[in-house]
Amino acid sequence: DGGITQSPKYLFRKEGQNVTLSCEQNLNHDAMYWYRQDPGQGLRLIYYSQIVNDFQKGDIAEGYSVSREKKESFPLTVTSAQKNPTAFYLCASSTKDRVNTGELFFGEGSRLTVL
Amino acid sequence: AQTVTQSQPEMSVQEAETVTLSCTYDTSENNYYLFWYKQPPSRQMILVIRQEAYKQQNATENRFSVNFQKAAKSFSLKISDSQLGDTAMYFCAFMKPFYGGSQGNLIFGKGTKLSVKP
Repeated sequence: DGGITQSPKYLFRKEGQNVTLSCEQNLNHDAMYWYRQDPGQGLRLIYYSQIVNDFQKGDIAEGYSVSREKKESFPLTVTSAQKNPTAFYLCASSTKDRVNTGELFFGEGSRLTVL
Repeated sequence: AQTVTQSQPEMSVQEAETVTLSCTYDTSENNYYLFWYKQPPSRQMILVIRQEAYKQQNATENRFSVNFQKAAKSFSLKISDSQLGDTAMYFCAFMKPFYGGSQGNLIFGKGTKLSVKP
């Protein structure tokens, strides 16, 4: 079945370690997004990519990095520079046609806990 | 900058009854899109309903409908005949049109946790 797969679902890391969250989609979507979700904060945009080999910073990009080498994949690295990385991370995608309609397709999320 | 405000952190409703979730937003744009997304306990967000600002008619999707008041910048969601499966976080979201430079980015409110009780 088509969809967005995020892995791992749960991740524990020590302070100072970089971690990479995987996001893969087989929907043939052009656009991909990373959101961070904190309790009581809603969703905030970290990075987005409209096309392979191109990506843009969102509202809270500091301490994060991404790559978009393949259309299907948009991994997010949470670096040691991110001051408060413990959060729930959601990946989403959309077609070019749907970019203007706002319909995003979301993965099931990854919960990162930094000890 | 656009902002989206959901003033009800939590709500509850009895099964089969009707509930309304509130959302207000702030923008200087004339054309834009508004959305309600649902996040059930499984955590996967899904689109519930969408409204285009230039359309006066309120959007409806089965048991879900909106009351869009453009002048008041209000966008409430009404759920009729509530079902146990409606229990979820509901997020209101705003988006500028693509030609307005939005790149398809959504601005979300902080969410309302809805519990449907049997």
